Amino acid sequence: AQKITQTQPGMFVQEKEAVTLDCTYDTSDPSYGLFWYKQPSSGEMIFLIYQGSYDQQNATEGRYSLNFQKARKSANLVISASQLGDSAMYFCAMRGSHAGNNRKLIWGLGTSLAVNP
Amino acid sequence: DTGVSQDPRHKITKRGQNVTFRCDPISEHNRLYWYRQTLGQGPEFLTYFQNEAQLEKSRLLSDRFSAERPKGSFSTLEIQRTEQGDSAMYLCASEQGEGENIQYFGAGTRLSVL
Repeated sequence: AQKITQTQPGMFVQEKEAVTLDCTYDTSDPSYGLFWYKQPSSGEMIFLIYQGSYDQQNATEGRYSLNFQKARKSANLVISASQLGDSAMYFCAMRGSHAGNNRKLIWGLGTSLAVNP
Repeated sequence: DTGVSQDPRHKITKRGQNVTFRCDPISEHNRLYWYRQTLGQGPEFLTYFQNEAQLEKSRLLSDRFSAERPKGSFSTLEIQRTEQGDSAMYLCASEQGEGENIQYFGAGTRLSVL
């Protein structure tokens, strides 16, 4: 069975500093995708970044980068130059192979990030 | 280019009443997903459609829940005889179906059952 673990219920970071949010996963699928989403207090789930299991390089999107360590089954999100607007819940999610009907996302419990001025 | 739209944003109902939520996906996205999120938890998958076909349903989707996507565009999620345990955020996502296969979410419908 697939599983996502986020061990940090809450994190604090000073504005303009970098922060790493941890995510480990478990799957038996040879091919899978890893996602990070941001959920502000308004409730909308906002896509941030995607990493495919066969991608050779770590994914980057602006201030977001994904530290993908396949052997350790970890996919940590790094946010550089934190801004006050980054305060939100952050969820790590995984999807298995595209084969068949295995399309649903499996989610972690999330990490609440607070950016201090 | 509009995003995923969900209506209503908030719904308060009494136990035993029926409720229906609507989701309008991003134009030309052929896959549509419903998730439920309770307080302090990550979202849980409920069901998904490819065009008008409902391809997978979670065991969470009891007989009181039904979802449709009649013309392969918008979708509705109905809950009959609501219970207090149905109180949650109901999230809809759409996916293009080609290329990067990213699920884009709407703002959700927050249901409170009194």
